[in-house]
Amino acid sequence: QSVLTQPPSASGTPGQRVTVSCSGSNSNIGKNPVNWYQQLPGTAPKLLISVNNQRPSGVPDRFSGSKSGTSASLAISGLQSEDEADYYCAAWDDSLNGRVFGTGTKVTVL
Amino acid sequence: EVQLVESGGGLVQPGVSLRLSCAASGFTFSNYAMSWVRQAPGKGLVWVSGISDSGGTTFYADSVKGRFTISRDNSKNTLYLQMNNLRAEDTAVYYCAKDLGATVWGLGTLVTVSS
Repeated sequence: QSVLTQPPSASGTPGQRVTVSCSGSNSNIGKNPVNWYQQLPGTAPKLLISVNNQRPSGVPDRFSGSKSGTSASLAISGLQSEDEADYYCAAWDDSLNGRVFGTGTKVTVL
Repeated sequence: EVQLVESGGGLVQPGVSLRLSCAASGFTFSNYAMSWVRQAPGKGLVWVSGISDSGGTTFYADSVKGRFTISRDNSKNTLYLQMNNLRAEDTAVYYCAKDLGATVWGLGTLVTVSS
């Protein structure tokens, strides 16, 4: 089961800013870095943000990540149609001694 | 270019075994931990298992502990997932990923457990 909670959906019009939250606990987000993944329809997930706020090469700077306490957030500024996808957060959980993923958020561009 | 190619999926009956493989290229495989992550049809991502670069340390989700075994052959640049006593709820696309942070993903292989 997922121990990181995300809203099921988020939406915005082209050009708007959308944020996705990820709520965890002291055993995961509170102690370990957060990664974010983007999964476009029918494709494999892709790393979007690593170590809370680092963008891998090739990821547009419209995507940004942050972390505070036991929560993390992904922000998409200047929303574009190609950003329509599912987004997942993930972190290592020291209590479970394993990695945990968020419940996933479907971002829709209106 | 980093590439991960999974294979070994298929349709199997409950209770049988299956071994997945993941062929890695484009990076020094023996320097990196590796992971397996699965996704049931229409559902979210679920971490399954991880293994250290040497293979000496392994990690498992509670849902597969005792049934699945992760291993690797660094001489063949290949990651494995031995799945025993498969259940209907193990039906999913199985992805292998580079390191415990899953920084690069393969395209996945579908495992369907059904009678």
